[in-house]
Amino acid sequence: DGGITQSPKYLFRKEGQNVTLSCEQNLNHDAMYWYRQDPGQGLRLIYYSQIVNDFQKGDIAEGYSVSREKKESFPLTVTSAQKNPTAFYLCASSRIDRGSNQPQHFGDGTRLSIL
Amino acid sequence: AQSVTQLDSQVPVFEEAPVELRCNYSSSVSVYLFWYVQYPNQGLQLLLKYLSGSTLVKGINGFEAEFNKSQTSFHLRKPSVHISDTAEYFCAVKGEGGADGLTFGKGTHLIIQP
Repeated sequence: DGGITQSPKYLFRKEGQNVTLSCEQNLNHDAMYWYRQDPGQGLRLIYYSQIVNDFQKGDIAEGYSVSREKKESFPLTVTSAQKNPTAFYLCASSRIDRGSNQPQHFGDGTRLSIL
Repeated sequence: AQSVTQLDSQVPVFEEAPVELRCNYSSSVSVYLFWYVQYPNQGLQLLLKYLSGSTLVKGINGFEAEFNKSQTSFHLRKPSVHISDTAEYFCAVKGEGGADGLTFGKGTHLIIQP
C-alpha cells in the first residue's frame, strides 16, 4: 500500500544536539511538507518542497533545516538553535496538478522530547 | 494570506446525537477547504474537501460540510455520532494558486458521551 512513513515514532534529544526526523513517501507525490503540532495550537508549516533540490521556508522555519535529494524523501533536522523543540512533527505530501489543489496525505508523526 | 478560526476548542455531545463543528476562514483570494480528523498519537486523515462546485460536500464516516462563501464558513456536521468519532478535528484552507502548505485552525476536540 502507498503511504508516508515517518521514523522514529518517538525521539529524545539532549540539549545542544541536532536530530534528524525521517519522512519517506511512495505515493509518487511531487510536493512534501513538514508541520509542527503543539497542544491547542493546530499545525504550523515549517518547510515545504515542490521539487527535488528545492524547498521553501514556512511560517516557523527558524531552528530547522531540510533537504530534498530524492523525490521520495524529505528529512527534517531540528538544530540546537531551536529553543523549544518538544512537539509532535508531521510530514505530508501531495500531488501538484495545474489548476487544482490536491489534499495532503499525512504520516503518523514523530514525537520529539528533550531530555 | 489565509487564516482559520475554529470557534470551539471542545464539543461534548451524547452518542447518537447530531453535531456541528464550526469553522470560519478569511482570505483575499479564492480558497480550497478541508476537514481532517486526528486520533491520539496519529497523523491526520482527510474527512472531506471543497474545491469547487456543489457547496454541500460529503465525506467519510457519515460527515458532511457546507461551504458558505458569504459567511466565509465551512461547518462540519454529522446527524448521529458514535463513540468512535471521539477525536480532534481540524479545518484547513489553501489559497487558490498557492504553492505553500495548508493553514490550519487550532482544532476542535469532539467528546462523545455514552
